[in-house]
Amino acid sequence: LAKTTQPISMDSYEGQEVNITCSHNNIATNDYITWYQQFPSQGPRFIIQGYKTKVTNEVASLFIPADRKSSTLSLPRVSLSDTAVYYCLVGVSGDKLTFGTGTRLAVRP
Amino acid sequence: NAGVTQTPKFQVLKTGQSMTLQCAQDMNHEYMSWYRQDPGMGLRLIHYSVGAGITDQGEVPNGYNVSRSTTEDFPLRLLSAAPSQTSVYFCASSYLSAATNEKLFFGSGTQLSVL
Repeated sequence: LAKTTQPISMDSYEGQEVNITCSHNNIATNDYITWYQQFPSQGPRFIIQGYKTKVTNEVASLFIPADRKSSTLSLPRVSLSDTAVYYCLVGVSGDKLTFGTGTRLAVRP
Repeated sequence: NAGVTQTPKFQVLKTGQSMTLQCAQDMNHEYMSWYRQDPGMGLRLIHYSVGAGITDQGEVPNGYNVSRSTTEDFPLRLLSAAPSQTSVYFCASSYLSAATNEKLFFGSGTQLSVL
């Protein structure tokens, strides 16, 4: 099971682009990389998932280098409502899916 | 569509009491799991199940029991509550796929205090 490492916290201002990097040095060949967002008093919710290269949806982009030992979640033009904890998960369907401590993002006016 | 439903939302127990946290999903998901979240600890996996009749231990299974008699329900039992089990508990579910890692859907959580 791949262990992930993320920064504990990050600060940003409204309108800026935020990049959160996750390290997963022992990722397995079949593992996917998935990011979740959690607001206070709520369960996490899915943001984006990828296997390699770049994935983009209406919320974020996910950049995965060729060696797949890290990934970067990119949030364009953040707003106050993006203040949350962001988790990086690595695994496959049915795995023992473990979350790390996540990255606490604080967006200031 | 209700998604993942957890009950109760709040519970206070005395040390040594037993209780069951309920989790139900109406999405026909094969995979279900329980996490606990403590301040500064992120989410830790307690138990998980890949289908009815199949359960397995996560990172922190001690003090908790689970069973999966139906696809829809995955209750978490505390047989003798301890103060160390004071936490917020989240249930999650997903499809199972051989081709990808299906996204988890989470319930709204149960806040448990053990005195």
